[in-house]
Amino acid sequence: QAALTQPASVSGSPGQSITISCTGTSSDVGTYNLVSWYQQHPGKAPKVMIYEVSKRPSGVSNRFSGSKSGNTASLTISGLQAEDEADYYCCSYASSSTLVFGGGTKVTVL
Amino acid sequence: EVQLLESGGGLVQPGGSLRLSCAASGFTFSTYAMSWVRQAPGKGLEWVSLIIGSGGSTYYADSVKGRFTISRDNSKNTLYLQMNSLRVEDTAVYYCAKLGAWWEMDNWGRGALVTVSS
Repeated sequence: QAALTQPASVSGSPGQSITISCTGTSSDVGTYNLVSWYQQHPGKAPKVMIYEVSKRPSGVSNRFSGSKSGNTASLTISGLQAEDEADYYCCSYASSSTLVFGGGTKVTVL
Repeated sequence: EVQLLESGGGLVQPGGSLRLSCAASGFTFSTYAMSWVRQAPGKGLEWVSLIIGSGGSTYYADSVKGRFTISRDNSKNTLYLQMNSLRVEDTAVYYCAKLGAWWEMDNWGRGALVTVSS
């Protein structure tokens, strides 16, 4: 149950696009299309932004998109806004009905 | 509107026990799998445990296996986490979360702080 690997921090200017990677193994990200992404603002509970690799829940801005290639999933935020500054976590289904999170990425809007 | 409200957090000594509860409303509780996720101070999210809708199957992270027990009472729309043999490293905010159809955690509670310290 090793954690998925995310960059510690990513930054961008307002209006730019950024991408956060999430690298797992063939036991989780590489085998299952069950990757989700969560946004967490300081002192708040996480909020799901993407599920099933690339699907957006109702109410989530279409500036957020997800993809996957091999053992790596990615979250892209386009048209970066100040309100997007937060921590982001990926999560994948792993074998035997377990889940594993990434270490988290702090997004800074410059 | 889905609501999840955790309770039962607090200060406990190493080796002690604590039981968290999560009261659910706004959805058919028995239909959905539920999970506990924790976050140590200043750290990332860590998946802890999961229970299917009927309560018939449970799953745990290696870090808590054998010490924590997840359960649910569908008649009371309540999820539980019994935590035994607590360690300092179990100190965290514990969130309960509802699982959607694709194993995403689509609704979260506000969290309960558990502090393990002598």
